Amino acid sequence: NAGVTQTPKFQVLKTGQSMTLQCAQDMNHEYMSWYRQDPGMGLRLIHYSVGAGITDQGEVPNGYNVSRSTTEDFPLRLLSAAPSQTSVYFCASSRYVGHQNTEAFFGQGTRLTVV
Amino acid sequence: AQTVTQSQPEMSVQEAETVTLSCTYDTSESDYYLFWYKQPPSRQMILVIRQEAYKQQNATENRFSVNFQKAAKSFSLKISDSQLGDAAMYFCASLGQGGSEKLVFGKGTKLTVNP
Repeated sequence: NAGVTQTPKFQVLKTGQSMTLQCAQDMNHEYMSWYRQDPGMGLRLIHYSVGAGITDQGEVPNGYNVSRSTTEDFPLRLLSAAPSQTSVYFCASSRYVGHQNTEAFFGQGTRLTVV
Repeated sequence: AQTVTQSQPEMSVQEAETVTLSCTYDTSESDYYLFWYKQPPSRQMILVIRQEAYKQQNATENRFSVNFQKAAKSFSLKISDSQLGDAAMYFCASLGQGGSEKLVFGKGTKLTVNP
């Protein structure tokens, strides 16, 4: 089972460039989310989705866009990269709340550097 | 709003000894899940243990157990017979149900296991 697949694993961008971080899951999970991890800050929620066509903002949404056209995919778009977006990004998916044995499955993470 | 607080940025333990990591949370949800995740140097997020808030019995998974104090909004993780492989970052997280489906993390505790 592939689980949650994130691409790329590493990326270097120049300030002002745009890019999309890809996230796909093959577990038919309704809930997907994006986090950024910075030293001493834990994982902070950027955007999340409870199903296809539904997205909402998390704690740190500025500078990022998401869409959820299918259950499987939840891409994260950086519109105009800034050095402050240098971070490790994680995608996660889980069965919708209310189901037993709920847990979040994580991708391997993307280390993004903006220069 | 959901918040999760881990007050111990770093902890250390001798191999074979027991260590307890602290976590407090705040949520307006009447029902929710609580989790402890482990992040080794590989960066992969690994579920350690899960607690459903409506269950009074503390969850256990082999050497890992929790002390869930619902009234105090406390959710500590106890690691017994610590092993070198337990060295990692540990994150406490909460997931609300039925109103806030956000999975919110604390800032983490770095656990060092000394031989």
